[in-house]
Amino acid sequence: SQQGEEDPQALSIQEGENATMNCSYKTSINNLQWYRQNSGRGLVHLILIRSNEREKHSGRLRVTLDTSKKSSSLLITASRAADTASYFCATRMTTDSWGKLQFGAGTQVVVTP
Amino acid sequence: EAGVVQSPRYKIIEKKQPVAFWCNPISGHNTLYWYRQNLGQGPELLIRYENEEAVDDSQLPKDRFSAERLKGVDSTLKIQPAELGDSAVYLCASSFKGVEETQYFGPGTRLLVL
Repeated sequence: SQQGEEDPQALSIQEGENATMNCSYKTSINNLQWYRQNSGRGLVHLILIRSNEREKHSGRLRVTLDTSKKSSSLLITASRAADTASYFCATRMTTDSWGKLQFGAGTQVVVTP
Repeated sequence: EAGVVQSPRYKIIEKKQPVAFWCNPISGHNTLYWYRQNLGQGPELLIRYENEEAVDDSQLPKDRFSAERLKGVDSTLKIQPAELGDSAVYLCASSFKGVEETQYFGPGTRLLVL
């Protein structure tokens, strides 16, 4: 079973718009990470947020974490066609001592020019 | 810096045939992971190596799957015999102990079992 669940499953927006996707998880975590996967490619690490952090930025990415609600959100601002990809959240649970990540099913984002 | 290398990229086999996937992690990364990704799903961990030791293989179907990581560098994942349900993308990832668990993924091997 997968720890994280992303919402929505799919998202279609136009270039320049913001894209927001959410991730919910079930058990206590050490950190939560977001990855991107372009079609036919491997996953690329985007950003990591620790359990004691509430918000983090990286370029056009903004991640929030609410541990009381066991949820996180990823915001991509001013989206570009190149942002078209699947986005996965991955959690490292506190019960795991060695970096095991549990991935959600992903949000498929399509950005049209 | 070279990324994680996997081969082959694509493999089509008939059921009951054996198949093997190869992974070369990023130089210096002591942790190596094999994941399986079904269509429309996120990756699911099959096995994790720390150097040459398999530290987590609880998700590996041991009746037909096997893996090895000789000398703590390259790794091979084998399926024998393959079943229709094994069709998926097999991803290899590596990470460096001490850095916050950022995993670097290879492009994957897309397996189709007919």
